[in-house]
Amino acid sequence: QVQLVQSAADVKKPGASVKVSCKASGYRFTDYYMHWVRQAPGQGLEWMGYMNPNSGHTNYAQKFQGRVTMTRDTSISTVYMQLTRLTSDDTAIYFCARDNIGEDGNLDWFDPWGQGTLVTVSS
Amino acid sequence: IQMTQSPSSLSASVGDRVTIACRASQSISNYLNWYQQKPGTAPKLLMYAASSLQSGVPSRFSGSGSGTDFTLTISSLQPEDFATYYCQQSYSRPYTFGQGTKLEIK
Repeated sequence: QVQLVQSAADVKKPGASVKVSCKASGYRFTDYYMHWVRQAPGQGLEWMGYMNPNSGHTNYAQKFQGRVTMTRDTSISTVYMQLTRLTSDDTAIYFCARDNIGEDGNLDWFDPWGQGTLVTVSS
Repeated sequence: IQMTQSPSSLSASVGDRVTIACRASQSISNYLNWYQQKPGTAPKLLMYAASSLQSGVPSRFSGSGSGTDFTLTISSLQPEDFATYYCQQSYSRPYTFGQGTKLEIK
């Protein structure tokens, strides 16, 4: 079955960087875009960006431009999300989620999701 | 595109019929998805394209709407349905979510 397994929780100091991994299985890795979404404690969902694992092309939300980098290693079907210059506002659960596209080639949705990785930023 | 859900929270009983509304700040055709999230778990896709039921999701869930106004309806609440529900538009980037509707047991 299609599954996304993320790296373990991490604690970082302000100003540091974090790199979260998301390992895909159960489908051809390069056939589906991968998104990253975060959720601050007790808050809603915020889209960060996506990457095309086939080409490496990325599209980042403007809010994270300059601080986020999404990469992939096709040999191990894994995507990575690195966030730099962390502040306490970056404390959140970070999810990867696979993109799925409808028959029209435009409408898309996120399924499945990884289990989430809690990143805590604290001095 | 801003997505606004109403209500933000809702108390209901098992067996009740419940409707959650989602409004987009501009027309998004039917580019609207619904997710369910239970505490400590990842969101789960319920509906896509406004009214298409994801495989494996019970038929008591239904969605409707087009343009700017959408609804998610649960025809007869079950104990496992108490969760937070999010709408999401995929019409334009950045993708945006509603603020969530927390469905609680009365």
